[in-house]
Amino acid sequence: DQQVKQNSPSLSVQEGRISILNCDYTNSMFDYFLWYKKYPAEGPTFLISISSIKDKNEDGRFTVFLNKSAKHLSLHIVPSQPGDSAVYFCAASDPFRGGYQKVTFGTGTKLQVIP
Amino acid sequence: DVKVTQSSRYLVKRTGEKVFLECVQDMDHENMFWYRQDPGLGLRLIYFSYDVKMKEKGDIPEGYSVSREKKERFSLILESASTNQTSMYLCASSPTGNWNGYTFGSGTRLTVV
Repeated sequence: DQQVKQNSPSLSVQEGRISILNCDYTNSMFDYFLWYKKYPAEGPTFLISISSIKDKNEDGRFTVFLNKSAKHLSLHIVPSQPGDSAVYFCAASDPFRGGYQKVTFGTGTKLQVIP
Repeated sequence: DVKVTQSSRYLVKRTGEKVFLECVQDMDHENMFWYRQDPGLGLRLIYFSYDVKMKEKGDIPEGYSVSREKKERFSLILESASTNQTSMYLCASSPTGNWNGYTFGSGTRLTVV
């Protein structure tokens, strides 16, 4: 039962254009959402996050949008650069349990930015 | 500047061997996690620990165990390695409170032959 889904395994975008990565979730109890970026042979690195009380969060070229009613979030990268080529994981967190956050990850989308 | 260190980048082990994967973090985080990453399946949680000597099963604990004797160290143990445990293993840590996601190590690519 995949609670966090990334339906596009790969995406190719021209340099300078917008990249849009999509993510759907099924668990309405998730209250915090994150995007991680992963290069080959490296661990994932945190990119950007959004709380369920917001619908948008922006950090430089990266913007995350959250549509709670649709249980959908997206990551926009504008403008896309060749260095953005990586696998992007969407992730969602259960509410804080007084000790730790349990995070569920999606299957990842491989982004290729073509120079 | 390394914060979560996994002892091996690449490992090749034989079927039936007992395998230890080590992870050390220097951020004084309470919580530590072991995930495996497989193509098309994303990151799946094996085990996690929220305190020394405490452990909780994740989504796919079968065939694995863990040990956390010190706060900074979290070990993943494959009791009897099998070929279906060939994977990328990722360790992560996070603090309690002031949370903004996990910090991951660089991963260990394990091949069981």
